[in-house]
Amino acid sequence: GAVVSQHPSRVICKSGTSVKIECRSLDFQATTMFWYRQFPKQSLMLMATSNEGSKATYEQGVEKDKFLINHASLTLSTLTVTSAHPEDSSFYICSAASITGYSPLHFGNGTRLTVT
Amino acid sequence: TQLLEQSPQFLSIQEGENLTVYCNSSSVFSSLQWYRQEPGEGPVLLVTVVTGGEVKKLKRLTFQFGDARKDSSLHITAAQPGDTGLYLCAGAGDNYGQNFVFGPGTRLSVLP
Repeated sequence: GAVVSQHPSRVICKSGTSVKIECRSLDFQATTMFWYRQFPKQSLMLMATSNEGSKATYEQGVEKDKFLINHASLTLSTLTVTSAHPEDSSFYICSAASITGYSPLHFGNGTRLTVT
Repeated sequence: TQLLEQSPQFLSIQEGENLTVYCNSSSVFSSLQWYRQEPGEGPVLLVTVVTGGEVKKLKRLTFQFGDARKDSSLHITAAQPGDTGLYLCAGAGDNYGQNFVFGPGTRLSVLP
C-alpha cells in the first residue's frame, strides 16, 4: 500500500529557533500534499495545501511566513516552523494523495513538536 | 464550504457490544474515506466508498455510503479493545485528492 514517511517523529527545540519537518511519499507520486495541525483529542486542522512546483495555499488564519512550505519534488514536501514559540507546540501531520482518481489520503505518522 | 459532522463525538462501550458511528453533510462528495487514528500516530485509512448506496465490509467493520453521497456510517460488530481510537471521516469534493474535508472525529473507547 501507499506509504508516507514523516520525519522527525519528535522534536524539542528552544523558543526562537526554526524546525523543519519532512514528508515523503515512498512509493507513489503526489502532486499535492497536505499539512495539518492536531490539538489533543481533536480532529485534524488543515493548515495548508502543498503543490509541487508552485506556492502553497494556506488556510485562513495560518501565517505563511511562520509556516514555510516547500514542495520541490513529487515525493517530498517540507514544513518549516520559523522562530518557534511555545504556542507552536503541537502534533503536525502530513498527508499525500496520488494523482489517480478517487485516491484517498495517506498520512505520515506525525511529528510531535515541543517548543521550550 | 463543505462541512462534515460526526456523531457521537465520544463513545465508551464494553467489549462485545455493537456500535454505529455516523458522518453527515449537506454537501455531496465524490468519495468518502474512513480513518482510524491512535494517539501519537497518523490516521490510517480503513476504507474508501465511492458509489451512492455502496456497502463495504472489513472484518467486523461495515461501511455504508448514503444513496445521495452526503452521509456515511460505520458499524462495528462485537467491538474489541483494539478498536479503541479516533475515527475520522473525510469527504473529497473532487476526484484528485483535492478539497478533502474532515469530520470532527468520534473517539471510541472499548473497555475489556
